[in-house]
Amino acid sequence: AQSVTQLDSHVSVSEGTPVLLRCNYSSSYSPSLFWYVQHPNKGLQLLLKYTSAATLVKGINGFEAEFKKSETSFHLTKPSAHMSDAAEYFCVVSAPWGNQFYFGTGTSLTVIP
Amino acid sequence: GAGVSQSPSNKVTEKGKDVELRCDPISGHTALYWYRQRLGQGLEFLIYFQGNSAPDKSGLPSDRFSAERTGESVSTLTIQRTQQEDSAVYLCASSLSGGEVYEQYFGPGTRLTVT
Repeated sequence: AQSVTQLDSHVSVSEGTPVLLRCNYSSSYSPSLFWYVQHPNKGLQLLLKYTSAATLVKGINGFEAEFKKSETSFHLTKPSAHMSDAAEYFCVVSAPWGNQFYFGTGTSLTVIP
Repeated sequence: GAGVSQSPSNKVTEKGKDVELRCDPISGHTALYWYRQRLGQGLEFLIYFQGNSAPDKSGLPSDRFSAERTGESVSTLTIQRTQQEDSAVYLCASSLSGGEVYEQYFGPGTRLTVT
Protein backbone atom coordinates (compact mmCIF):
# COMPACT_ATOMS: atom_id res chain seq x y z
CA ALA A 1 0.00 0.00 0.00
CA GLN A 2 1.07 3.56 -0.65
CA SER A 3 0.42 6.72 1.32
CA VAL A 4 1.94 10.11 1.99
CA THR A 5 1.89 12.36 5.01
CA GLN A 6 2.45 16.06 4.66
CA LEU A 7 3.66 17.10 8.04
CA ASP A 8 2.52 20.73 7.93
CA SER A 9 -0.92 21.89 6.82
CA HIS A 10 0.26 25.52 6.73
CA VAL A 11 3.69 27.07 6.25
CA SER A 12 4.40 30.78 6.36
CA VAL A 13 7.71 32.30 5.22
CA SER A 14 8.99 35.76 4.48
CA GLU A 15 9.81 36.68 0.91
CA GLY A 16 13.43 35.87 0.13
CA THR A 17 13.79 33.23 2.86
CA PRO A 18 14.05 29.45 2.30
CA VAL A 19 11.04 27.23 1.87
CA LEU A 20 10.76 23.73 3.32
CA LEU A 21 7.62 21.64 2.80
CA ARG A 22 7.83 18.24 4.40
CA CYS A 23 6.54 14.95 3.04
CA ASN A 24 6.95 11.40 4.32
CA TYR A 25 5.82 8.43 2.32
CA SER A 26 4.95 4.82 2.87
CA SER A 27 5.25 2.33 0.06
CA SER A 28 5.49 -1.42 -0.33
CA TYR A 29 7.46 -0.90 -3.53
CA SER A 30 10.09 1.42 -4.90
CA PRO A 31 7.89 4.46 -5.19
CA SER A 32 7.55 7.22 -7.70
CA LEU A 33 7.09 10.55 -5.98
CA PHE A 34 5.76 13.86 -7.19
CA TRP A 35 5.12 17.39 -5.99
CA TYR A 36 2.21 19.31 -7.51
CA VAL A 37 1.26 22.94 -6.94
CA GLN A 38 -2.23 24.38 -7.04
CA HIS A 39 -2.57 28.14 -7.29
CA PRO A 40 -5.91 29.67 -6.31
CA ASN A 41 -8.57 29.00 -8.92
CA LYS A 42 -6.07 27.25 -11.16
CA GLY A 43 -5.40 23.66 -12.05
CA LEU A 44 -2.77 21.40 -10.55
CA GLN A 45 0.67 21.71 -12.07
CA LEU A 46 3.58 19.31 -11.76
CA LEU A 47 6.60 20.80 -9.99
CA LEU A 48 8.90 17.80 -10.11
CA LYS A 49 9.00 14.02 -10.00
CA TYR A 50 11.26 11.24 -8.75
CA THR A 51 11.21 7.91 -10.56
CA SER A 52 14.30 6.05 -9.24
CA ALA A 53 16.94 8.06 -11.05
CA ALA A 54 18.91 10.80 -9.27
CA THR A 55 17.82 11.27 -5.66
CA LEU A 56 18.02 15.07 -5.89
CA VAL A 57 15.36 16.23 -8.28
CA LYS A 58 15.18 19.73 -9.68
CA GLY A 59 11.86 21.12 -10.78
CA ILE A 60 10.34 24.27 -12.14
CA ASN A 61 10.50 27.71 -10.51
CA GLY A 62 13.62 26.90 -8.51
CA PHE A 63 12.11 24.10 -6.45
CA GLU A 64 13.91 20.86 -5.71
CA ALA A 65 13.30 17.77 -3.64
CA GLU A 66 15.53 15.04 -2.27
CA PHE A 67 14.48 11.40 -2.06
CA LYS A 68 15.80 9.88 1.17
CA LYS A 69 14.96 6.20 1.36
CA SER A 70 16.38 5.77 4.87
CA GLU A 71 14.06 8.50 6.15
CA THR A 72 11.17 7.72 3.77
CA SER A 73 11.06 11.41 3.00
CA PHE A 74 10.70 13.61 -0.07
CA HIS A 75 10.83 17.16 1.23
CA LEU A 76 10.37 20.10 -1.13
CA THR A 77 12.73 23.06 -0.84
CA LYS A 78 13.47 26.38 -2.45
CA PRO A 79 16.34 28.67 -1.45
CA SER A 80 14.41 31.94 -1.69
CA ALA A 81 10.63 32.33 -1.59
CA HIS A 82 8.85 34.57 -4.02
CA MET A 83 5.39 36.06 -3.61
CA SER A 84 4.19 34.01 -6.57
CA ASP A 85 5.02 30.80 -4.67
CA ALA A 86 1.99 31.27 -2.43
CA ALA A 87 -0.19 28.26 -3.22
CA GLU A 88 -1.25 24.79 -2.09
CA TYR A 89 1.35 22.06 -2.50
CA PHE A 90 0.61 18.35 -2.74
CA CYS A 91 3.01 15.46 -2.29
CA VAL A 92 2.02 12.38 -4.28
CA VAL A 93 3.20 8.77 -4.26
CA SER A 94 2.60 6.14 -6.90
CA ALA A 95 3.41 2.49 -7.25
CA PRO A 96 5.92 1.71 -10.03
CA TRP A 97 3.21 0.73 -12.49
CA GLY A 98 1.55 4.08 -11.94
CA ASN A 99 -2.11 3.27 -12.07
CA GLN A 100 -2.94 4.85 -8.73
CA PHE A 101 -1.66 8.07 -7.28
CA TYR A 102 -2.05 8.87 -3.59
CA PHE A 103 -2.17 12.53 -2.66
CA GLY A 104 -1.26 14.06 0.64
CA THR A 105 -3.67 16.47 2.30
CA GLY A 106 -1.69 19.46 1.09
CA THR A 107 0.42 22.24 2.56
CA SER A 108 -0.71 25.81 2.17
CA LEU A 109 2.28 28.12 1.66
CA THR A 110 1.94 31.78 2.58
CA VAL A 111 4.67 34.21 1.57
CA ILE A 112 4.87 37.37 3.64
CA PRO A 113 6.18 40.49 1.87
CA GLY B 1 -1.36 22.08 -27.55
CA ALA B 2 -4.75 21.65 -25.90
CA GLY B 3 -4.78 20.53 -22.32
CA VAL B 4 -7.36 18.57 -20.39
CA SER B 5 -10.74 20.23 -20.49
CA GLN B 6 -13.72 19.72 -18.22
CA SER B 7 -17.31 20.83 -18.40
CA PRO B 8 -19.23 22.40 -16.90
CA SER B 9 -16.87 24.53 -14.82
CA ASN B 10 -19.57 25.02 -12.21
CA LYS B 11 -22.71 23.06 -11.49
CA VAL B 12 -25.36 23.79 -8.89
CA THR B 13 -27.96 21.10 -8.42
CA GLU B 14 -30.70 20.20 -6.01
CA LYS B 15 -30.34 17.27 -3.67
CA GLY B 16 -31.65 14.12 -5.29
CA LYS B 17 -30.98 15.15 -8.89
CA ASP B 18 -28.52 13.36 -11.18
CA VAL B 19 -25.49 15.17 -12.62
CA GLU B 20 -23.09 14.35 -15.40
CA LEU B 21 -19.57 15.75 -15.56
CA ARG B 22 -17.44 15.62 -18.68
CA CYS B 23 -13.71 15.30 -19.24
CA ASP B 24 -11.80 15.62 -22.51
CA PRO B 25 -8.25 14.30 -22.04
CA ILE B 26 -5.16 15.24 -23.99
CA SER B 27 -5.11 13.49 -27.34
CA GLY B 28 -2.95 10.37 -27.20
CA HIS B 29 -3.17 9.97 -23.44
CA THR B 30 -4.39 6.45 -22.77
CA ALA B 31 -4.77 6.85 -19.00
CA LEU B 32 -7.54 8.92 -17.45
CA TYR B 33 -8.27 9.56 -13.78
CA TRP B 34 -11.10 11.13 -11.82
CA TYR B 35 -10.53 12.67 -8.39
CA ARG B 36 -12.69 14.47 -5.86
CA GLN B 37 -11.37 17.40 -3.82
CA ARG B 38 -13.46 18.52 -0.91
CA LEU B 39 -12.93 22.01 0.44
CA GLY B 40 -9.56 22.29 2.17
CA GLN B 41 -8.67 18.66 1.58
CA GLY B 42 -6.42 16.66 -0.68
CA LEU B 43 -7.42 14.74 -3.75
CA GLU B 44 -9.42 11.57 -3.35
CA PHE B 45 -8.99 8.98 -6.09
CA LEU B 46 -12.26 7.88 -7.68
CA ILE B 47 -11.63 5.86 -10.83
CA TYR B 48 -8.92 5.09 -13.37
CA PHE B 49 -9.22 4.14 -17.05
CA GLN B 50 -6.36 2.63 -19.03
CA GLY B 51 -6.95 2.00 -22.71
CA ASN B 52 -9.44 -0.79 -23.27
CA SER B 53 -8.78 -2.47 -19.92
CA ALA B 54 -11.46 -2.75 -17.27
CA PRO B 55 -11.45 0.45 -15.21
CA ASP B 56 -10.19 0.53 -11.64
CA LYS B 57 -13.31 1.61 -9.75
CA SER B 58 -11.90 1.01 -6.29
CA GLY B 59 -12.17 4.66 -5.27
CA LEU B 60 -15.85 5.21 -6.06
CA PRO B 61 -17.50 6.06 -2.73
CA SER B 62 -20.90 4.52 -3.44
CA ASP B 63 -23.00 2.93 -6.17
CA ARG B 64 -24.45 6.36 -6.90
CA PHE B 65 -21.17 7.14 -8.66
CA SER B 66 -20.31 5.73 -12.07
CA ALA B 67 -18.06 6.67 -14.95
CA GLU B 68 -17.62 5.75 -18.55
CA ARG B 69 -14.99 6.38 -21.15
CA THR B 70 -15.41 6.18 -24.90
CA GLY B 71 -12.32 4.47 -26.25
CA GLU B 72 -9.35 6.63 -25.38
CA SER B 73 -11.23 9.91 -25.49
CA VAL B 74 -13.95 11.64 -23.54
CA SER B 75 -15.07 10.42 -20.13
CA THR B 76 -18.21 11.18 -18.15
CA LEU B 77 -18.65 10.90 -14.40
CA THR B 78 -22.26 10.48 -13.32
CA ILE B 79 -23.55 11.03 -9.82
CA GLN B 80 -27.10 9.82 -9.21
CA ARG B 81 -29.41 11.10 -6.48
CA THR B 82 -26.90 13.73 -5.39
CA GLN B 83 -26.36 14.40 -1.70
CA GLN B 84 -24.96 17.49 -0.01
CA GLU B 85 -21.78 15.59 0.86
CA ASP B 86 -21.13 15.23 -2.88
CA SER B 87 -20.36 18.95 -3.03
CA ALA B 88 -16.73 19.21 -4.11
CA VAL B 89 -14.47 19.98 -7.03
CA TYR B 90 -14.20 17.02 -9.38
CA LEU B 91 -10.87 16.85 -11.18
CA CYS B 92 -9.94 14.86 -14.23
CA ALA B 93 -6.38 14.06 -15.24
CA SER B 94 -4.82 12.22 -18.14
CA SER B 95 -1.39 10.78 -18.79
CA LEU B 96 0.63 8.64 -21.11
CA SER B 97 1.16 5.10 -19.92
CA GLY B 98 3.04 1.97 -20.74
CA GLY B 99 5.53 0.58 -18.28
CA GLU B 100 6.64 3.88 -16.82
CA VAL B 101 5.14 6.34 -14.39
CA TYR B 102 4.18 9.43 -16.32
CA GLU B 103 3.03 12.72 -14.91
CA GLN B 104 -0.65 13.52 -14.87
CA TYR B 105 -2.05 16.58 -16.56
CA PHE B 106 -5.03 18.00 -14.74
CA GLY B 107 -8.10 19.77 -15.99
CA PRO B 108 -9.44 22.90 -14.28
CA GLY B 109 -12.14 20.90 -12.48
CA THR B 110 -15.89 21.06 -12.12
CA ARG B 111 -17.15 22.68 -8.95
CA LEU B 112 -20.31 20.85 -7.88
CA THR B 113 -22.62 22.38 -5.31
CA VAL B 114 -25.58 20.35 -4.06
CA THR B 115 -28.23 22.47 -2.36
